[in-house]
Amino acid sequence: GAGVSQTPSNKVTEKGKYVELRCDPISGHTALYWYRQSLGQGPEFLIYFQGTGAADDSGLPNDRFFAVRPEGSVSTLKIQRTERGDSAVYLCASSEQGVGNTGELFFGEGSRLTVL
Amino acid sequence: GQQLNQSPQSMFIQEGEDVSMNCTSSSIFNTWLWYKQDPGEGPVLLIALYKAGELTSNGRLTAQFGITRKDSFLNISASIPSDVGIYFCAGRWNAGGTSYGKLTFGQGTILTVHP
Repeated sequence: GAGVSQTPSNKVTEKGKYVELRCDPISGHTALYWYRQSLGQGPEFLIYFQGTGAADDSGLPNDRFFAVRPEGSVSTLKIQRTERGDSAVYLCASSEQGVGNTGELFFGEGSRLTVL
Repeated sequence: GQQLNQSPQSMFIQEGEDVSMNCTSSSIFNTWLWYKQDPGEGPVLLIALYKAGELTSNGRLTAQFGITRKDSFLNISASIPSDVGIYFCAGRWNAGGTSYGKLTFGQGTILTVHP
């Protein structure tokens, strides 16, 4: 498709389990972002990739959260030992970097994670 | 994490009325953005502002980048039912004038339009 694709759209898991969320960015977009949106709040930055490397991971809340983008396209957000407070919508966005463009973000529909 | 102060939190208006919402920050930004989010969707960019004092329009939407670089407002004129949704402001600081980097979002303004 033409937009940012995220899977799964919904994930229900039990406390303590491991979860992976996938993001497929817009083709050709070199930058990829993960945000977390809790109920009634705006999105909060988690991590940003430029190509394969994490350019800024200052928003990851703790070492249970990790993200990879091994080939500079698809990214996976990994959450270990999930806690109830991890319940949120996880949004992925991508942008095109380069001379002459503004690099604005295009968001996916999000993956809603519920930890019971 | 840090979020911008966005107001009002919610608005209930009649179709045809004008709407104004604003966003303030304790830090300066060199880009201000306004997004709209519908239920079950990701935020969609409405307007981007890149220079202090800039006033930009997109159809019935008008937004301004405050002179102090710590605030922005969004106006919607002649509201229609499809304007319903949550509106978010977002700021970005890019050292060296690059065009990428993390956004800091406001808490959102929930807009309800009665026909």
